[in-house]
Amino acid sequence: NAGVTQTPKFQVLKTGQSMTLQCAQDMNHEYMSWYRQDPGMGLRLIHYSVGAGITDQGEVPNGYNVSRSTTEDFPLRLLSAAPSQTSVYFCASSYSPLAGGRQFFGPGTRLTVL
Amino acid sequence: KQEVTQIPAALSVPEGENLVLNCSFTDSAIYNLQWFRQDPGKGLTSLLLIQSSQREQTSGRLNASLDKSSGRSTLYIAASQPGDSATYLCAVTLGGQGGKLIFGQGTELSVKP
Repeated sequence: NAGVTQTPKFQVLKTGQSMTLQCAQDMNHEYMSWYRQDPGMGLRLIHYSVGAGITDQGEVPNGYNVSRSTTEDFPLRLLSAAPSQTSVYFCASSYSPLAGGRQFFGPGTRLTVL
Repeated sequence: KQEVTQIPAALSVPEGENLVLNCSFTDSAIYNLQWFRQDPGKGLTSLLLIQSSQREQTSGRLNASLDKSSGRSTLYIAASQPGDSATYLCAVTLGGQGGKLIFGQGTELSVKP
């Protein structure tokens, strides 16, 4: 199993550009989520999904969109990048967090917005 | 609002020492607690998960305990090695938002040879 994979590993954007961060998992997990990690703020939930076709907002959703057309993939879209979105983005998956499922994290995407 | 605190923020120990990392949380209504390891520039690796009904979990040289009533968890690392150097994060799982994790700020551990 590859686990949770994320692409790209690094990205530099200019203010106003859009892009999609890719996340895929091969563990047949229903639950997937996106976090951002910032110094002094820790990890915060952006969006999550409890299954294909179902998504919802987390703690800091503004400026981001998600969709879940398959169980495996959960892309995160930045609509119009802003310097405040400079961060490290992690995707995570779990078979059932509330039933004791561990959450597995990808290696992260390091994004800089100029 | 659930808050998770980890003390100390940084810890440096000589190789071979046993050590304890602390995690506290303000609301005992959690589903479980996880300890993660994060190496510089890398993702998070799940080390141990303790269900809310459990008191402890063990994996190799690692032992994690949970006291829900007092809002505390500890991660015990036995016979520390330089390869244990990393940031250790604890996180509690809440019922809302499908299983949202609330993270502490982490303890940065350095084990000196």
